[in-house]
Amino acid sequence: RKEVEQDPGPFNVPEGATVAFNCTYSNSASQSFFWYRQDCRKEPKLLMSVYSSGNEDGRFTAQLNRASQYISLLIRDSKLSDSATYLCVVGSSASKIIFGSGTRLSIRP
Amino acid sequence: DADVTQTPRNRITKTGKRIMLECSQTKGHDRMYWYRQDPGLGLRLIYYSFDVKDINKGEISDGYSVSRQAQAKFSLSLESAIPNQTALYFCATGAFEGRGETQYFGPGTRLLVL
Repeated sequence: RKEVEQDPGPFNVPEGATVAFNCTYSNSASQSFFWYRQDCRKEPKLLMSVYSSGNEDGRFTAQLNRASQYISLLIRDSKLSDSATYLCVVGSSASKIIFGSGTRLSIRP
Repeated sequence: DADVTQTPRNRITKTGKRIMLECSQTKGHDRMYWYRQDPGLGLRLIYYSFDVKDINKGEISDGYSVSRQAQAKFSLSLESAIPNQTALYFCATGAFEGRGETQYFGPGTRLLVL
């Protein structure tokens, strides 16, 4: 079993829709959680950190469920520019950070 | 100017050749990483370094070596390239910000081994 698992997608949704995807992690000692965004043929960039209480940044909301060991990302009112691959990242110690394989999102006009 | 730079951006080489990929950063971070990315496999860690005298193997270090020449420079070498090392290679720096370590990636090097 992979340490961090994501549905690879692609998720294909119309502009303006709300879309959500999850990421599960296997190490219950994991301490830090992030979502990164990667555009085609570009480098990954931090989208947002994920806090236990949940956090929101504009149209993006991230949640952490420690009991079930998953994190989620919700995108409201999706834009064409949201089309990208979203990487789930889990840190379990000072030297171990694991990237998920990513979920592809495609927003259609 | 980009904070993390990689050279070359693209490289084609032949099996058996030695090749070096270079990474420089102006962020002042102590932590630096080399990853490779293959379709469907995500990012896999090759080597990482927490300061100039520190080198650590990642999950897929076989066939690679690294050198941390200075805080700002971390180079990756393929001693004898083979076709299954064809991939997209990323260098990254890391710093603790808030709840955990944030990583900042360079633009990547596309390597094709024939």
